Amino acid sequence: QVQLVESGGAVVQPGKSLRLSCAASAFNFGTYTMHWVRQSPGKGLDWVASVSYDGTITFYGDSVKGRFTISRDNSRNTLFLHMTRLRLEDTSLYYCAREGYGTHLRTFEMWGQGTMVTVSS
Amino acid sequence: DIRLTQSPSTLSASVGDRLTITCRASQNINTWLAWYQQKRGKAPKLLIYKASNLQSGVPSRFSGSGSGTEFTLTISSLQPDDFATYYCQQYNGDWTFGQGTRVEIK
Repeated sequence: QVQLVESGGAVVQPGKSLRLSCAASAFNFGTYTMHWVRQSPGKGLDWVASVSYDGTITFYGDSVKGRFTISRDNSRNTLFLHMTRLRLEDTSLYYCAREGYGTHLRTFEMWGQGTMVTVSS
Repeated sequence: DIRLTQSPSTLSASVGDRLTITCRASQNINTWLAWYQQKRGKAPKLLIYKASNLQSGVPSRFSGSGSGTEFTLTISSLQPDDFATYYCQQYNGDWTFGQGTRVEIK
């Protein structure tokens, strides 16, 4: 069925790196802009990064700029988030989300179930 | 950055009540606003896009209105399935979310 499945979440020490993955299935992944959105425990939603359908254009939230890199492999229908220099405040549930098109452009019309990243010493 | 402020933060209501949640933007975002519903332990779900357009499959008791800096989400008759947290999101520039409004059972 049409779905996004995140993986790669873990408990890591401050300053370390981690790579998250999001596997897409049952839709034409390579035609959609994709995003990462995070949610700290008990808190609200925070947009992290986006990548264009072909991987050539990326945008980042201010809190992760210069530390996180979003990328994609359309041949494997997979989205990535490479996180470096992790901080305590990066502890969150990380969702991948598919952006809509047409009238739904720039909205997040489909979400995965999330993968948890805990930064702790 | 464009900031979104939702009110109230928590809303206690009963089944059948009419509810209104407000979202205010720190600057003009035209109608580039969406609303999401998030149930406990689940991913957010898109309800409304471009301020007033109902996402396919979303019940018609949900409606959105507004433009510029002030927006509302209305649930005309609250159902048991509607107890959840609701977020507004602007997409005029980068994407930002409001802090959320939790709808709880009175």
